[in-house]
Amino acid sequence: AQSVSQHNHHVILSEAASLELGCNYSYGGTVNLFWYVQYPGQHLQLLLKYFSGDPLVKGIKGFEAEFIKSKFSFNLRKPSVQWSDTAEYFCAAQPPEYGNKLVFGAGTILRVKS
Amino acid sequence: DAMVIQNPRYQVTQFGKPVTLSCSQTLNHNVMYWYQQKSSQAPKLLFHYYDKDFNNEADTPDNFQSRRPNTSFCFLDIRSPGLGDAAMYLCATSRGPWETQYFGPGTRLLVL
Repeated sequence: AQSVSQHNHHVILSEAASLELGCNYSYGGTVNLFWYVQYPGQHLQLLLKYFSGDPLVKGIKGFEAEFIKSKFSFNLRKPSVQWSDTAEYFCAAQPPEYGNKLVFGAGTILRVKS
Repeated sequence: DAMVIQNPRYQVTQFGKPVTLSCSQTLNHNVMYWYQQKSSQAPKLLFHYYDKDFNNEADTPDNFQSRRPNTSFCFLDIRSPGLGDAAMYLCATSRGPWETQYFGPGTRLLVL
């Protein structure tokens, strides 16, 4: 089935470690891609998005993501995480054949140890 | 600040008792969405409105209905909640189709 896959459900890192969260999607054609973050007790917030253009996308709070079309991937990265990055991260795709629908991955819970 | 507001934040209802969840937006966006997010799962789209046009997802149960009386408000009605309907319900808006969706804080529904 067509979907969005996030490779890790739980990730634990120490502060200052580098982060990479994997995301793969299985839709063809032009797909809008997003990373959302949900901090504990808060609502989903947009971290960054890719519609077209430069495949390396910069987002808020030092996050970036790289769109690699040949790999159907949109991995999220941050060079040095902070304790405040503890949250759940969702990758989402907006495939054209699905209309406006956002298809979310299962999420990755990141815990950063101070 | 422009935003997406959901009320109430927590809702407790009884098995089979109808319940309505509310969403309002000050963004003047054309599209409003309702998602269901069960514990440890990804949000799942139930339906959306593009202006007054209602778009239901194929696998959304008939128990779930929605109303959008004007641009600012959208309601989710659950006619006969079952235990399996306990979840976080998220409202989102976007200016148009294919554009970024902005989420409200959600309403956590508990069914007793």
